[in-house]
Amino acid sequence: GDSVTQMEGPVTLSEEAFLTINCTYTATGYPSLFWYVQYPGEGLQLLLKATKADDKGSNKGFEATYRKETTSFHLEKGSVQVSDSAVYFCALRDAGNMLTFGGGTRLMVKP
Amino acid sequence: DTAVSQTPKYLVTQMGNDKSIKCEQNLGHDTMYWYKQDSKKFLKIMFSYNNKELIINETVPNRFSPKSPDKAHLNLHINSLELGDSAVYFCASSLGKGEQFFGPGTRLTVL
Repeated sequence: GDSVTQMEGPVTLSEEAFLTINCTYTATGYPSLFWYVQYPGEGLQLLLKATKADDKGSNKGFEATYRKETTSFHLEKGSVQVSDSAVYFCALRDAGNMLTFGGGTRLMVKP
Repeated sequence: DTAVSQTPKYLVTQMGNDKSIKCEQNLGHDTMYWYKQDSKKFLKIMFSYNNKELIINETVPNRFSPKSPDKAHLNLHINSLELGDSAVYFCASSLGKGEQFFGPGTRLTVL
């Protein structure tokens, strides 16, 4: 079946540092790929998405590129802020619109 | 003007009880979902439901059943609660196979 693997956290960075959270997937067909963010005590919010190979999703300074050759969708941000502290989930969506999530990566940004 | 709402936010109950969690969306969506997030933050789909089709994740025990009184609601009923059912349950909705919007979650604790 489909699966998503992302780096385990927590990832601890200082403010303005560069962020990379790795995500790889296994799927049949051509899934859409997503990054969701969960702030403390809240539900999941869609951060960005890409629906086909070589697409780049971007939002709030975060970017991720759909790499079919490496089955990856790594999340990057050039300069993180304390307010970016949250849990980040990589996910894929199959043809039936079911989401399969990675295990989540907790990001902690220190001032 | 909450898009996807869940009640209650917290639910504490004894083993063996039967309980329900309610979900309502005011987005005019036609498909709703339930996800379970365990203590390690792993998120898994439980059900996908629209007025034509119920898709059940095969790993979900039959003690769990979704009930939809109308298109705007998908309630989760759980029979004979067990300790392992303790988790955060998220409801989500979408229009067809579009983006899924998540509710704030219900934290269930079984004692």
